[in-house]
Amino acid sequence: DAGVTQSPTHLIKTRGQQVTLRCSPKSGHDTVSWYQQALGQGPQFIFQYYEEEERQRGNFPDRFSGHQFPNYSSELNVNALLLGDSALYLCASSLVGGPDEKLFFGSGTQLSVL
Amino acid sequence: AQKITQTQPGMFVQEKEAVTLDCTYDTSDPSYGLFWYKQPSSGEMIFLIYQGSYDQQNATEGRYSLNFQKARKSANLVISASQLGDSAMYFCAMREMGTGNQFYFGTGTSLTVIP
Repeated sequence: DAGVTQSPTHLIKTRGQQVTLRCSPKSGHDTVSWYQQALGQGPQFIFQYYEEEERQRGNFPDRFSGHQFPNYSSELNVNALLLGDSALYLCASSLVGGPDEKLFFGSGTQLSVL
Repeated sequence: AQKITQTQPGMFVQEKEAVTLDCTYDTSDPSYGLFWYKQPSSGEMIFLIYQGSYDQQNATEGRYSLNFQKARKSANLVISASQLGDSAMYFCAMREMGTGNQFYFGTGTSLTVIP
């Protein structure tokens, strides 16, 4: 049973560039969430996708956008990269449900902006 | 105000001993879930244990137990019989049913198990 897979594992970009990160959810899961984890911090919620729609968004600027495909996989796009966007980007999948809906995470994409 | 507070940046424990990692939370939502995740150096967040706000009993999952004190708004993780493989970052998280689907995470506690 494949877990959550993310690609690429590492990425180096320069300020002003654009980046796309990819995520395949755990088999059977229909919901994908993206989190940003800065060094020494806990993950911060970016947004969640369900049924190909953005279901909820955290406190991130419009430079952060996403997409969910019919097979439930997802992309995170970041435009006009800033140095402060350097972080580990974690994708999490879940099956929509009640309060005990657990998130299953991938290993993340480490983004460095120079 | 912080939704989740973890006040122990780093902890050390002797192998085979028990250790408690502290977590306090802040919410006015009567329905919420509390979670603990482990993050090894590989980066993946691994689910450990869940406690619902209406659960009467403390949650247990193998060597992990959650000491849930609702009135004090604390949800401490207890790891019994520590193993070298337990060395990792540990994050406490909360999901409020009234505000949707995002998880709020604390800043984490780095646990080192000493042989």
